[in-house]
Amino acid sequence: SQQGEEDPQALSIQEGENATMNCSYKTSINNLQWYRQNSGRGLVHLILIRSNEREKHSGRLRVTLDTSKKSSSLLITASRAADTASYFCATPSNFGNEKLTFGTGTRLTIIP
Amino acid sequence: NAGVMQNPRHLVRRRGQEARLRCSPMKGHSHVYWYRQLPEEGLKFMVYLQKENIIDESGMPKERFSAEFPKEGPSILRIQQVVRGDSAAYFCASSQGGLSTNEKLFFGSGTQLSVL
Repeated sequence: SQQGEEDPQALSIQEGENATMNCSYKTSINNLQWYRQNSGRGLVHLILIRSNEREKHSGRLRVTLDTSKKSSSLLITASRAADTASYFCATPSNFGNEKLTFGTGTRLTIIP
Repeated sequence: NAGVMQNPRHLVRRRGQEARLRCSPMKGHSHVYWYRQLPEEGLKFMVYLQKENIIDESGMPKERFSAEFPKEGPSILRIQQVVRGDSAAYFCASSQGGLSTNEKLFFGSGTQLSVL
């Protein structure tokens, strides 16, 4: 089973609205990362949040992490058409493990 | 400062043939990861290599699949006697250090393998 599970699986919103995606994971982690994938392309790293951090910002992105609930959320504010993509959370499979395990992703569509 | 380079971008093989996928990591990166992605799905980890060493191949099928990262040259993912179920996008990623040090991955654009 996936270490990370995103919800919703798909999300469509109007341009200018905010988009929120959630991720749940199963094991202890030392960090959680979010990536974006445009159709037919490789993944691009967006933001990394460490296990001792609760919130992190990067431009229009805001990530939260709740280690007690083993969950994270990604908020994209003032969405743009260019934000249309799939978004994945990723965690080390086990604490200190050297590989990232990706969730199934949220497909975000921004309607102009 | 080129990113992670994968080639070919598209690869078509008939059943039973061999597929060789190449990945050159970012300059200065010595950690390489291979992932497979089926349509509308997430990425499935296959193998993690450092120069001349396979560190973790727990996600790679034991038969027909092999990977290497030689001292010189790109990392190679090799699939022998391909079957239709091998059709997928294969992504390579690299990092400067190990992920336990809070490193992020840099991905290539992938190789789309189609098996006829």
